[in-house]
Amino acid sequence: SQTIHQWPATLVQPVGSPLSLECTVEGTSNPNLYWYRQAAGRGLQLLFYSVGIGQISSEVPQNLSASRPQDRQFILSSKKLLLSDSGFYLCAWRKRGGWETQYFGPGTRLLVL
Amino acid sequence: SQQGEEDPQALSIQEGENATMNCSYKTSINNLQWYRQNSGRGLVHLILIRSNEREKHSGRLRVTLDTSKKSSSLLITASRAADTASYFCATDNLGGNTGKLIFGQGTTLQVKP
Repeated sequence: SQTIHQWPATLVQPVGSPLSLECTVEGTSNPNLYWYRQAAGRGLQLLFYSVGIGQISSEVPQNLSASRPQDRQFILSSKKLLLSDSGFYLCAWRKRGGWETQYFGPGTRLLVL
Repeated sequence: SQQGEEDPQALSIQEGENATMNCSYKTSINNLQWYRQNSGRGLVHLILIRSNEREKHSGRLRVTLDTSKKSSSLLITASRAADTASYFCATDNLGGNTGKLIFGQGTTLQVKP
């Protein structure tokens, strides 16, 4: 069966510090991968998606970036965090090429102070 | 941009009652999915309904889809306190192969014991 992991679960960072959130998927290959952000009490905003290694598409211009160094690894980064980067970050995967279910990880709660 | 819009934003009912949540969207879709999110957790997939389907059941859940009205509803029958959560609809739009989902803002359901 497939599983998706995210870490860390919680992170408190000062403004201006760098960020690296990691997501890995097990039990599948060639997945589409997604990063979402959720503000408190709100829906999900798609930040990045990837259909293959090294292929990243950005949905929202901001100071975040994403990378996919391996097939089942998706990393969300920032060089300098802003207060507005606080939120709940969710990674998701989906089988490539099909209109199927998207599966979510447990999320990382980021608080920028 | 958010396509799905859930209605109501918040719903409070007694255990044993039925809960109905609605979702409207704007563009043509391949399918529509409903997810549940417990506070501070990741999203759990509930049901996927394809554009050529009108109704789907899963246990106490019933989802309908009306593509002519661009709307969907989620019915939870005989609700339980454990159903307390936020519920989101997400649309899988026609065109492209990225598998992106567009989420609504969600309905917060409280089931009182």
